[in-house]
Amino acid sequence: DTEVTQTPKHLVMGMTNKKSLKCEQHMGHRAMYWYKQKAKKPPELMFVYSYEKLSINESVPSRFSPECPNSSLLNLHLHALQPEDSALYLCASSQDARTRNIQYFGAGTRLSVL
Amino acid sequence: DQQVKQNSPSLSVQEGRISILNCDYTNSMFDYFLWYKKYPAEGPTFLISISSIKDKNEDGRFTVFLNKSAKHLSLHIVPSQPGDSAVYFCAASASTGANSKLTFGKGITLSVRP
Repeated sequence: DTEVTQTPKHLVMGMTNKKSLKCEQHMGHRAMYWYKQKAKKPPELMFVYSYEKLSINESVPSRFSPECPNSSLLNLHLHALQPEDSALYLCASSQDARTRNIQYFGAGTRLSVL
Repeated sequence: DQQVKQNSPSLSVQEGRISILNCDYTNSMFDYFLWYKKYPAEGPTFLISISSIKDKNEDGRFTVFLNKSAKHLSLHIVPSQPGDSAVYFCAASASTGANSKLTFGKGITLSVRP
């Protein structure tokens, strides 16, 4: 089983809303990732969690707040987003955060900010 | 500055023929390379990888070739099948530091004609 589950699949929110994206994996992976992908662009890394601790923040604005409650779950809390934040948000996991570990991706959450 | 480049945005091939997808990189620290396939409304799916100590890796119909001196890799699919029609991303990582980061190219849209 190499499944990473993301909910919701689609989300529309206003600029004053607070919402959360959720990601879950049951592969026993100890590294989890958030990526942002705009149309016709490659996925761009936002955050890396390693053993439930934030290890990489790619200078992401504070309106995006990640959380890793346990080794299977990863959340991305959204607040006061801008229309340019509309994108596909992808979650991934890997055995651990060392290089040469394959990252397995979820189907993503398509976010629209109005 | 794009460190992983997929300069051809699309490729169309006849079913049964060979598909060759190219990828170039600029960062000489990259030492592990992966190809992902992405269907619409799904997340990227791992296809095949290669370490910099090898120049070829084969898995069924998929073969990846690495030319380190040219900083170039290619994915060969033979024979191509209509189900291979998807966006293919090349990704690279460097085994420096404690955390893996994947840098993706922009992707190539492959269309396999029946």
